[in-house]
Amino acid sequence: EIVMTQSPATLSVSPGERATLSCRASQSVSSNLAWYQQKPGQAPRLLIYGASTRATGIPARFSGSGSGTEFTLTISSLQSEDFAVYYCQQYNNWPPKYTFGQGTKLEIK
Amino acid sequence: QVQLVESGGGLVKPGGSLRLSCAASGFTFSDYYMSWIRQAPGKGLEWISYISSSGSTIYYADSVKGRFAFSRDNAKNSLYLQMNSLRAEDTAVYYCARSPGGYFQHWGQGTLVTVSS
Repeated sequence: EIVMTQSPATLSVSPGERATLSCRASQSVSSNLAWYQQKPGQAPRLLIYGASTRATGIPARFSGSGSGTEFTLTISSLQSEDFAVYYCQQYNNWPPKYTFGQGTKLEIK
Repeated sequence: QVQLVESGGGLVKPGGSLRLSCAASGFTFSDYYMSWIRQAPGKGLEWISYISSSGSTIYYADSVKGRFAFSRDNAKNSLYLQMNSLRAEDTAVYYCARSPGGYFQHWGQGTLVTVSS
């Protein structure tokens, strides 16, 4: 099983500042990496797939980078609605054994 | 717009069974692979099953293999998850999701399954 490790577990950032979230895979997943945002009581929402492609309707302040085992989600200027939990997910296996990171909680500083 | 609506959750005793449904609308359902993902209370996300667009190919996570059965009815735009031999650790919110390429593009709102005596 590919283990996904996110860091930090909690990130405190002020509105308007930049946030950088990290995700590491236990083995290469190429660019088969997605990021999701989840707010309390809501389903997750796809932000990024293919490591760097924004999903439909996702603001340009969200960007993804990386390949292989190291990935980053950057939110360039935090808005109040961005404070949430973020998950990375790899989808490199076939047959599928898709796995998620444990999440990073982005909180207001 | 794409809409996925899960139903069928509830309270069930350990060893019991439950059948979840997911009604899809707003897209050509028969064109898409679909998945179930679950989230235990206060925990992270766990992918549990994946079905091809025709329903002929299905994959499961090891944690549910042999106990859960995923199926679809393309004529009814619906997914089903038959859950047998339920355990306390199966307690979670269960989401269906559209899965065009291994990632989860659209999610339903989820249905809560509680396994407890």
